Amino acid sequence: GESVGLHLPTLSVQEGDNSIINCAYSNSASDYFIWYKQESGKGPQFIIDIRSNMDKRQGQRVTVLLNKTVKHLSLQIAATQPGDSAVYFCAEMVQGAQKLVFGQGTRLTINP
Amino acid sequence: GAVVSQHPSRVICKSGTSVKIECRSLDFQATTMFWYRQFPKQSLMLMATSNEGSKATYEQGVEKDKFLINHASLTLSTLTVTSAHPEDSSFYICSARDTGYSGNTIYFGEGSWLTVV
Repeated sequence: GESVGLHLPTLSVQEGDNSIINCAYSNSASDYFIWYKQESGKGPQFIIDIRSNMDKRQGQRVTVLLNKTVKHLSLQIAATQPGDSAVYFCAEMVQGAQKLVFGQGTRLTINP
Repeated sequence: GAVVSQHPSRVICKSGTSVKIECRSLDFQATTMFWYRQFPKQSLMLMATSNEGSKATYEQGVEKDKFLINHASLTLSTLTVTSAHPEDSSFYICSARDTGYSGNTIYFGEGSWLTVV
């Protein structure tokens, strides 16, 4: 199978600060990327997506940046709230393969 | 909005028995569904792609005879773990692609916890 991960890295931020979660994707042929949020014991929840013809996309309190040159994706969360505590995964869709492959994931912890 | 439902959410079975997990798209048709497996503190690992009316496509290293996938209708895919062993205990998650008016969107179920004792 694909994307067998190691133990999750952790990012701790103060409530109200901005968070930046990074992801390195693997396939230069990937043309669609999604950020998911996963709370304990639940399935992934869609946050925001971006296609490879864009380098930035904004949603409500979230921004995704795509750097295709270095195959890097980031998720910025503004004014982090306690409810943002979760594991965040980036996922890439390989052009033509029509399957979604997940990255390693990052655990976001909010300090009061 | 679109919803993907998994059943059961939790199941405990004895070693050597088989267990079936269902994945349903509730308000859209899904010609393609995906099955993932997730161990604690790890990422989701794609196991197979389930296509309605045809055989599933398995990822490298996933035993097709152990993890039987059936996608008999546009709203239902099932994963059967055959002759389950404790090492099969995991969180199994399905997702479904909505290729309808909302475009190429993928929705995830809430997952199914399997414990083999």
